[in-house]
Amino acid sequence: DQQVKQNSPSLSVQEGRISILNCDYTNSMFDYFLWYKKYPAEGPTFLISISSIKDKNEDGRFTVFLNKSAKHLSLHIVPSQPGDSAVYFCAASGGSQGNLIFGKGTKLSVKP
Amino acid sequence: SAVISQKPSRDICQRGTSLTIQCQVDSQVTMMFWYRQQPGQSLTLIATANQGSEATYESGFVIDKFPISRPNLTFSTLTVSNMSPEDSSIYLCSFQEGSYGYTFGSGTRLTVV
Repeated sequence: DQQVKQNSPSLSVQEGRISILNCDYTNSMFDYFLWYKKYPAEGPTFLISISSIKDKNEDGRFTVFLNKSAKHLSLHIVPSQPGDSAVYFCAASGGSQGNLIFGKGTKLSVKP
Repeated sequence: SAVISQKPSRDICQRGTSLTIQCQVDSQVTMMFWYRQQPGQSLTLIATANQGSEATYESGFVIDKFPISRPNLTFSTLTVSNMSPEDSSIYLCSFQEGSYGYTFGSGTRLTVV
């Protein structure tokens, strides 16, 4: 049973518009959420994170929103740029384990 | 932030053989993690490796199949033993680094024929 779900395998957005990537989780023990970006032939790189004590975290063009009651988080990229084209993974961790549970990823294509 | 060097970046191996993947970090880290990403799947944690103790394996992964070494705080290896085509995956090492989250190696793309 997947604890972290990214239901959209792909997303295509026009350059300059907003990209919204969604992620749902089932485990209420998760208290820390992260987004990673992955280019082909490279390992995932950390993008932005949010703790469960917050509902929003912003870093430049990237904003992550957390809705704990809905067990849902989203990553907003605005404005989207062609260089943002990559696979985006949502990940969660909780308790003292320190390991991450990943979603399957969403492939974002930003078209010029 | 610290950097991981992972090698090999890719390999094609015969079934029944073993492959050892190495990860070198340019600073000392307490916990290192090994992940697998099978085609079309999410990254799945194989095991957590602490220096000086045996690795902790997740459900579905066993030490005989994926032995891990962690001889010091900057280095770890994962061996994929007695390989079969089902082991064809991308394998990644990772460590947690303060508020920057988890840093990953560049991955090893393994194909078993």
